[in-house]
Amino acid sequence: GAVVSQHPSRVICKSGTSVKIECRSLDFQATTMFWYRQFPKQSLMLMATSNEGSKATYEQGVEKDKFLINHASLTLSTLTVTSAHPEDSSFYICSARVAGNPNYGYTFGSGTRLTVV
Amino acid sequence: DAKTTQPPSMDCAEGRAANLPCNHSTISGNEYVYWYRQIHSQGPQYIIHGLKNNETNEMASLIITEDRKSSTLILPHATLRDTAVYYCIVLSGGGADGLTFGKGTHLIIQP
Repeated sequence: GAVVSQHPSRVICKSGTSVKIECRSLDFQATTMFWYRQFPKQSLMLMATSNEGSKATYEQGVEKDKFLINHASLTLSTLTVTSAHPEDSSFYICSARVAGNPNYGYTFGSGTRLTVV
Repeated sequence: DAKTTQPPSMDCAEGRAANLPCNHSTISGNEYVYWYRQIHSQGPQYIIHGLKNNETNEMASLIITEDRKSSTLILPHATLRDTAVYYCIVLSGGGADGLTFGKGTHLIIQP
């Protein structure tokens, strides 16, 4: 149980275009999802917290107009990288905390490798 | 900033026990110790967590010192597939915040 599905796993886009990444909770409802970014040889950095039915909360230094987050249902959150540039190339990972899970654990998606050319 | 300190890398022979240390000297009374690992180019995977008692599951054992200022993750019989970056994270059990990842320990299992 507690599976988070993330798509696409890999995407290459041209500079200036937008890319949407989907994160789905397959067997549970997630009122809160989290988006992380990971650059090569670095640790995961929390970008934003996605709340179902309300605006996302962004970490300091993360541009909310560039990284649009939509959490319109209890099983789906999307991250759209707008007007992508090569410096946005990174590994993006979503996560959900399973409410009521005795482990209070976080389940992660498999990640999306974004390359902007 | 992460509340934990881990060695940047460790080696372990295949079939032997891998013991990964973590210091969390500023942990507070309601904070749990969680361990995750990340295999290259994948999302992190939950391993185990504990509050103050030692814990064991099918993947690993977690030993927490009596003063809770440090812990050790034990992989009893390491295999090549255990090569990964292991993250020790301190987190309030009732909170709803995202995780703060430190640099973790890159565990390399040698054949």
